[in-house]
Amino acid sequence: EAGVTQFPSHSVIEKGQTVTLRCDPISGHDNLYWYRRVMGKEIKFLLHFVKESKQDESGMPNNRFLAERTGGTYSTLKVQPAELEDSGVYFCASSQVAGFNSPLHFGNGTRLTVT
Amino acid sequence: DQQVKQNSPSLSVQEGRISILNCDYTNSMFDYFLWYKKYPAEGPTFLISISSIKDKNEDGRFTVFLNKSAKHLSLHIVPSQPGDSAVYFCAASAYGSSNTGKLIFGQGTTLQVKP
Repeated sequence: EAGVTQFPSHSVIEKGQTVTLRCDPISGHDNLYWYRRVMGKEIKFLLHFVKESKQDESGMPNNRFLAERTGGTYSTLKVQPAELEDSGVYFCASSQVAGFNSPLHFGNGTRLTVT
Repeated sequence: DQQVKQNSPSLSVQEGRISILNCDYTNSMFDYFLWYKKYPAEGPTFLISISSIKDKNEDGRFTVFLNKSAKHLSLHIVPSQPGDSAVYFCAASAYGSSNTGKLIFGQGTTLQVKP
C-alpha cells in the first residue's frame, strides 16, 4: 500500500508569492489532516477534512491559507501571499477513521522557505 | 497555551540501556495518547499508543506508561539501539468528546543512542 505522498518536498519562494502544496492520502482514507512544524517546535494542527468537507479548520493561521479537497481524494494547501513566518515543514496525514486504534499516517512533508 | 509538553529537548543514552522519554499534558479531556518517531527528512511514524482507561501498554521493546492523576506519560525503550536515534513526539487526542482525530503534539525530544 502506498503511503501518504506530498509534493513538492521543498519549495523556496519570495515573500508575497503564492505556493500550492499537494497531498495524496492513502487510498480509502476519508480523513485527511494538515499540520505544520515551525523552527523545530511542536507539530501544530491546521485542519481536518472528512472526505471533501472541512471538519475542523481551527488551526488555520489566517485567511492567506486555503485548503481544498475536491472529490475527497487529494488535497491542496495554498498560501497566498506568503509571509516570512509561513516558513516551516508542512505535513499531511491521513487515517481511515477518526478514532481509537486508527493512528494518523504522515507524509514526509513539504519544507517551505519564504525569503 | 501548550497542552502537551515535552520538557527535555534531548536525551543521550548508551546502547543497551533504557531510554525514558517524558511527556506532560494539561487537558483532562484527552483520552488517547500516542508516541511518534521521526527521522530527519521524513514524516512522523506511529510507534505506540495508550487509551486513558489503561495505565500501561507494551509492544516489544517499547512500553508507554500513563499516570492520569499526574497528567504524565512516559515512553520506555529497552534495550535502546542506535537505530532508535530520532526525534520522539508525544501526542494526545480527545476522541471521546471531539471525535475529530485531531492530535495535539509536544515539541519533541531528540534521542541519541550511542554505540
